[in-house]
Amino acid sequence: GENVEQHPSTLSVQEGDSAVIKCTYSDSASNYFPWYKQELGKRPQLIIDIRSNVGEKKDQRIAVTLNKTAKHFSLHITETQPEDSAVYFCAAIYFGNEKLTFGTGTRLTIIP
Amino acid sequence: GAVVSQHPSWVICKSGTSVKIECRSLDFQATTMFWYRQFPKQSLMLMATSNEGSKATYEQGVEKDKFLINHASLTLSTLTVTSAHPEDSSFYICSAQRTGSYEQYFGPGTRLTVT
Repeated sequence: GENVEQHPSTLSVQEGDSAVIKCTYSDSASNYFPWYKQELGKRPQLIIDIRSNVGEKKDQRIAVTLNKTAKHFSLHITETQPEDSAVYFCAAIYFGNEKLTFGTGTRLTIIP
Repeated sequence: GAVVSQHPSWVICKSGTSVKIECRSLDFQATTMFWYRQFPKQSLMLMATSNEGSKATYEQGVEKDKFLINHASLTLSTLTVTSAHPEDSSFYICSAQRTGSYEQYFGPGTRLTVT
């Protein structure tokens, strides 16, 4: 089955700086890669996703890049703000399987 | 759109009793719903996949007789924790997959405490 690794497990950045979280996946059949943000005690919120036919996607301060050859994808947050502090999970899925495989999460802390 | 509700948001029960958790997609149809369990500071662990009108598919290590899942309609799935024990205390989260789409949308979660 699919295995998703996520790094780093914790990340602290100064407000205004950029944050990058990286994930690798094992199953080359995976073709959909969402990123979720989870605040303490709350539900995971889908913040951005990318499909395997696209190399990069951007939504305001958030971007995701995908390297299918290397089987890794990354989340980039620019101009970080205190409200970006949360746990971020990457995930992978291939159509037909339906099950999301989550990474282990990254606790991002934005230092004011 | 894509709102998922979960009820109750928290519950405390005694050992040996059963607890039912409901997951509803409020503004879309979901052929497939998923049930996850999350321990503090850990990732989401998939327990089972629930398909409308058919039996749930459980992940390895998850007891199907203990965690009963019913997906009676395109907008409702229920998880019943039977004969609950303290080790079942956890945060249970459902997600609903919009029919014909990849995207999964999560409910707010249910914090279960078994005393």
